[in-house]
Amino acid sequence: QSALTQPASVSGSPGQSITISCTGTSSDVGNYKLVSWYQQHPGKAPNVLIFESNRRPSGVSNRFSGSKSGNTASLTISGLQIEDEAEYYCCSYAGGSTYVFGTGTKVTVL
Amino acid sequence: QVQLVQSGGGVVQPGRSLRLPCTASGFTFSNYGMHWVRQGPGKGLEWVAHIWYDGSDTFYADSVKGRFTISRDNSKNTMFLQMDSLRDEDTAVYYCARGPLGTMAGYFDYWGQGTLVTVSS
Repeated sequence: QSALTQPASVSGSPGQSITISCTGTSSDVGNYKLVSWYQQHPGKAPNVLIFESNRRPSGVSNRFSGSKSGNTASLTISGLQIEDEAEYYCCSYAGGSTYVFGTGTKVTVL
Repeated sequence: QVQLVQSGGGVVQPGRSLRLPCTASGFTFSNYGMHWVRQGPGKGLEWVAHIWYDGSDTFYADSVKGRFTISRDNSKNTMFLQMDSLRDEDTAVYYCARGPLGTMAGYFDYWGQGTLVTVSS
């Protein structure tokens, strides 16, 4: 149950697009479409942005999109806004009703 | 509206025990799998445990297996995390989270507010 690998930090200017990668193995990300993404502001509980690799829950902005290829999933934030500055985590189903989170990525809006 | 309200938490000595409750409202609790996720100070999220909708099966991260027990009382819309033989590295904010219906695998769509557990002598 090793954590999925994410870049420690990603930054961008308002209006730009950024992409956060999430690399796992053939036992988790590569084997299931059940990758989800969460946004967490300091001191707050996480909020889901993407589920099943590329689906958005109702109420989540369409500026957030997800994809998956092989052992790597990605989250793209388009039209970056100040309020997008937060920590982002991927999470994959890992079989046997267990899950594994990513290491987390701090997004900074310049 | 869906709410998960947590209580408990606090400071506990290494080797001692603590039980965390998570009380649900706004949905049919007995239909959903439930999870515990924790976050150490300045660290990332770590999935801890999962219990099926009817409590018939439970699953744990290797880091807590044999020490933590997840359970639920569907008559009281409440889930619990019994933490025994606590270690310094168990210090974290613990979140309860709702999973998918039944025994399905998926994602965590609603989260509690979190409760801080500090293991220290």
